[in-house]
Amino acid sequence: AQSVTQLDSQVPVFEEAPVELRCNYSSSVSVYLFWYVQYPNQGLQLLLKYLSGSTLVESINGFEAEFNKSQTSFHLRKPSVHISDTAEYFCAVSDPNTDKLIFGTGTRLQVFP
Amino acid sequence: DGGITQSPKYLFRKEGQNVTLSCEQNLNHDAMYWYRQDPGQGLRLIYYSQIVNDFQKGDIAEGYSVSREKKESFPLTVTSAQKNPTAFYLCASRTTGSSNQPQHFGDGTRLSIL
Repeated sequence: AQSVTQLDSQVPVFEEAPVELRCNYSSSVSVYLFWYVQYPNQGLQLLLKYLSGSTLVESINGFEAEFNKSQTSFHLRKPSVHISDTAEYFCAVSDPNTDKLIFGTGTRLQVFP
Repeated sequence: DGGITQSPKYLFRKEGQNVTLSCEQNLNHDAMYWYRQDPGQGLRLIYYSQIVNDFQKGDIAEGYSVSREKKESFPLTVTSAQKNPTAFYLCASRTTGSSNQPQHFGDGTRLSIL
């Protein structure tokens, strides 16, 4: 069965500093990987996804994630964060056998001025 | 604009009472999902439905019930058997046919016990 591990429950960082949110997954089959962002009292919004092809995927607001098959990782990075990036970030893997998404427990990114 | 509408945004339940959370989508998606979110636990799947008049239990279905009479609607009932219902509930939908399609989420309903 698939599983997703987000090792960091909270990541504090100063504005304009770089950040990396870690995500590792386990799966015996090829999977699709997603990052979602959740702002307070809202639903989840898709940030970016890896389906196939280039292992580096980018979002429109400066985030990027790199799929590493050998390390079974899909870490999310941003070279310079803004206050507005403060939110909770969820990594998820799509299970092709059950048509379900398996979520990690989330990482709360707190950006300080 | 297409999207998913959850209502109400806040809901209060008395002990022994059943309550129903609404989820409506106009994205023409076949599959719909209900998740429960608790602090530090991420999202846990309650029920999901891939087609009208059919649904499956997720990982924490006990104390909940659903129906899927219309493609657009997937209401969730929190029954009195659910002993710890206080949580944030999220509804999602997506197209079927390939697991590479992302799920789209509503803005959630926060349920509290009086």
